[in-house]
Amino acid sequence: ETGVTQTPRHLVMGMTNKKSLKCEQHLGHNAMYWYKQSAKKPLELMFVYNFKEQTENNSVPSRFSPECPNSSHLFLHLHTLQPEDSALYLCASTPRLAGQKETQYFGPGTRLLVL
Amino acid sequence: DQQVKQNSPSLSVQEGRISILNCDYTNSMFDYFLWYKKYPAEGPTFLISISSIKDKNEDGRFTVFLNKSAKHLSLHIVPSQPGDSAVYFCAASVSGTYKYIFGTGTRLKVLA
Repeated sequence: ETGVTQTPRHLVMGMTNKKSLKCEQHLGHNAMYWYKQSAKKPLELMFVYNFKEQTENNSVPSRFSPECPNSSHLFLHLHTLQPEDSALYLCASTPRLAGQKETQYFGPGTRLLVL
Repeated sequence: DQQVKQNSPSLSVQEGRISILNCDYTNSMFDYFLWYKKYPAEGPTFLISISSIKDKNEDGRFTVFLNKSAKHLSLHIVPSQPGDSAVYFCAASVSGTYKYIFGTGTRLKVLA
């Protein structure tokens, strides 16, 4: 248990559906991240939020829409996805302390299948 | 272009022996390196890290070595245990960017 939870753990959706992934961290951290992990590929950074402000969008298609209502919660809204978007989506958080080298804490991930 | 590479997708080791997992990087600006362990159906779990001002960091059975001139780091697990069987990711970061670049992972299997 890393203090970062993700729901749902598994999701199957059609290409016309709209769904949302949720991440919650109970660590008092100030930065949250979305990553995508596809088979045999490195973790790909998607979005970074620092103190609820988006600071990184790694050229992610607009069919992925993040939302960070507060420092503890992060959402990834999905719509009109493609089959190649099927992957494991991981949420992570860090304290975001100035001048510190930080470790990321990951949630268990949501396994997404787009049909 | 992959900045962090783990060239061995898998490794099998006998229980009690040493496991050595390797990682190479290309960006000389990286100054903080981490190893994560991942079991199936779980997220990556932090294992050990090293700052570029050091060349070795040890935590119990786990030791990470950093060779800056070769842009290479390795994770040593001694002695290896069956519970160490997992996928191991190395990651690198430039201080202040708060971005972490991951390798593709090495699947370690420790045979009883």
